[in-house]
Order: sequence, then C-alpha cells, then structure tokens
Amino acid sequence: QVQLQESGPGLVKPSETLSLTCAVSGGSISNTNFYWGWIRQPPGKGLEWIGHIYYSGSTYKNPSLKSRLSMSVDTSRNQFSLKLSFVTAADTAVYYCARILYTSGWPIDYWGQGTLVTVSS
Amino acid sequence: DIQLTQSPSFLSASVGDRVTITCRASPGIRSNLAWYQQKPGKAPKLLIYTASTLQSGVPSRFSGSASGTEFTLTISSLQPEDFATYYCQQPGITFGQGTRLEIK
Repeated sequence: QVQLQESGPGLVKPSETLSLTCAVSGGSISNTNFYWGWIRQPPGKGLEWIGHIYYSGSTYKNPSLKSRLSMSVDTSRNQFSLKLSFVTAADTAVYYCARILYTSGWPIDYWGQGTLVTVSS
Repeated sequence: DIQLTQSPSFLSASVGDRVTITCRASPGIRSNLAWYQQKPGKAPKLLIYTASTLQSGVPSRFSGSASGTEFTLTISSLQPEDFATYYCQQPGITFGQGTRLEIK
C-alpha cells in the first residue's frame, strides 16, 4: 500500500520561502508509471494544481506559480520536495502531495493526508 | 486556457436518490477527465478517470460518461457515505469548482 507523508513548517512569514517534503513509502519514486505532484486547497475553497515532477527531474508547473516554484526529487531517499518563494497570505492552504498516474488526464490515485501551511507574520 | 465549468455548486438529495453532476470543458480535452470525492478534513479520493473508468475499489453505483465536451458523474442510488464534495479535473492545472452534495 503506497503512503505519502508531507512534512515541513506549518507557519511561514510573508515574503519568505515555503518548503515541503513528501516521503513516499510502499513503492518506488523511480517507477516510470507515475508522476509525483503537489496540490493545494485554501481553507474552505477548491483544489489547485501546483505542479508535478517525474523521477528523472522533469517538471510541469502551474503557469500562475511558475516564477516562484521549484520542485525536486531525491530517488535515494524516495522523496520529493516543493519550494514556493515570496509567499503571501494567498498561499495559505492545505498542501497535499500526491501520486499521479502517467496516463491520459493525469489522475491522482494516492494522496498524502495534507498539511496546513499558514502565511502570517 | 482550458476552462472547466462544474454544476450544480450545491445539491440536496436523499438516500436512494439518483444524482448527476456535470462538468463542461473546453474543446480538445478528449476523454481526459477525472472525478474525485472529498469529505471534510480528508484528502480527495479518485472515483473515475478517463471519463468513465472506475477506479479500483470504488462502488459500482458511481459511473462517468462523456458527450462531446460535457462530462457527467452519476451516483445511481445515494448511500449515507456519499454525502461529500465532488470535483472534476482536467489534465494539468484545472479542477472544477466543486459540487457539495448534502442530505435533504
């Protein structure tokens, strides 16, 4: 059974960088059948796709976040990471990491439990 | 930009009812649409992908269909555990706005 677990600070100051890591267990992050991604959900609102990364390091980024977004993958530790710079209150959200099927439509078949990140001074 | 319009935003129904939720997409996405169920405080759960493929373990009362750019999620007979919020998703960045399904 695949499990994903987000970790990182729950509080980030405005203009600083939000950093999260997702540890994957029960499967290899190098499996060619999957992407590994990030989705966020502001409190009481809908879902927003942040971006995803392949084990090789190739990425897809939401154009609205692209200039502030960095993603990386560490196959030796079976984990992947997100950095979002120059955060504002609008970046306050529950951040989910996810496994994405490498197939038409990019459906997400496994999700982490989510971690709330609040941007506030 | 790809646009997704999900309707209705809110739906009130009773146990045993048949309900339908619709997503209207921009032209060109073919059958690349997925549906998710989300309960409060939980991560979403994949129900349907490529418009009509039922994810493993999902009850058969859930089904998906497509007609042109209109995609439909149908729950044939609502069960108490089905009251939740439902989202459609196109490849990449776009999710629908969500449909909140509540008990009448």
